[in-house]
Amino acid sequence: SSELTHDPAVSVALGQTVRITCQGDSLRSYYASWYQQKPGQAPVLVIYGKNNRPSGIPDRFSGSSSGNTASLTITGAQAEDEADYYCNSRDSSGNHWVFGGGTKLTVL
Amino acid sequence: QLQLQESGPGLVKPSETLSLICTVSGGFINSGSYYWGWIRQPPGKGLEWIGSIYYTGSTYYSPSLKSRVTMSVDTSKNQFSLKLSSVTAADTAVYYCARHCTGGNCYTRGWFDPWGQGTLVTLSS
Repeated sequence: SSELTHDPAVSVALGQTVRITCQGDSLRSYYASWYQQKPGQAPVLVIYGKNNRPSGIPDRFSGSSSGNTASLTITGAQAEDEADYYCNSRDSSGNHWVFGGGTKLTVL
Repeated sequence: QLQLQESGPGLVKPSETLSLICTVSGGFINSGSYYWGWIRQPPGKGLEWIGSIYYTGSTYYSPSLKSRVTMSVDTSKNQFSLKLSSVTAADTAVYYCARHCTGGNCYTRGWFDPWGQGTLVTLSS
């Protein structure tokens, strides 16, 4: 079982805002990073740290954290944002890394 | 632009050792303070961190796989490798390599980027 938990599936209407969350005790001490994975493709880093976007990631993606919960927000979701999203962080020991089970985002 | 590419056999027999290599191009494996990681994804399932290695050979392994995992680095070839012993059907997965920022400024805010395209390893007798 993963130390980071996601809602398995979330849906959002085209152009609306959606928040994908990830919970875990280690998130009280460490930031999460977020990855977008489309079918048949490798994951892509979209958010890391407090709220940092790698070059090339649209600014509609943002991150936040509160207590044991990290959130990825997509403001104005586009059809191309339909994908699986995974969070990642250190585990409770701080010595290893874990991924959440992933959230499947559907854009309606 | 940094790129990573996994290579290795796509079929492995049960109880044997899975061996994969990740070749790094567009940058040097021994530059900066980055580790280099392996992550896998069974068909239809989520991502699992396997382990990460620094160019000096320092490693972190997943506790659940530690007894079967060996990672190494060849700086002369700009490559790092993964060996997973005593494989079973549960080890069938797409295996990815990625640069892993985990030390220094990344200690509390680590990330994996970029990723290789992944290679599917299937167990077959």
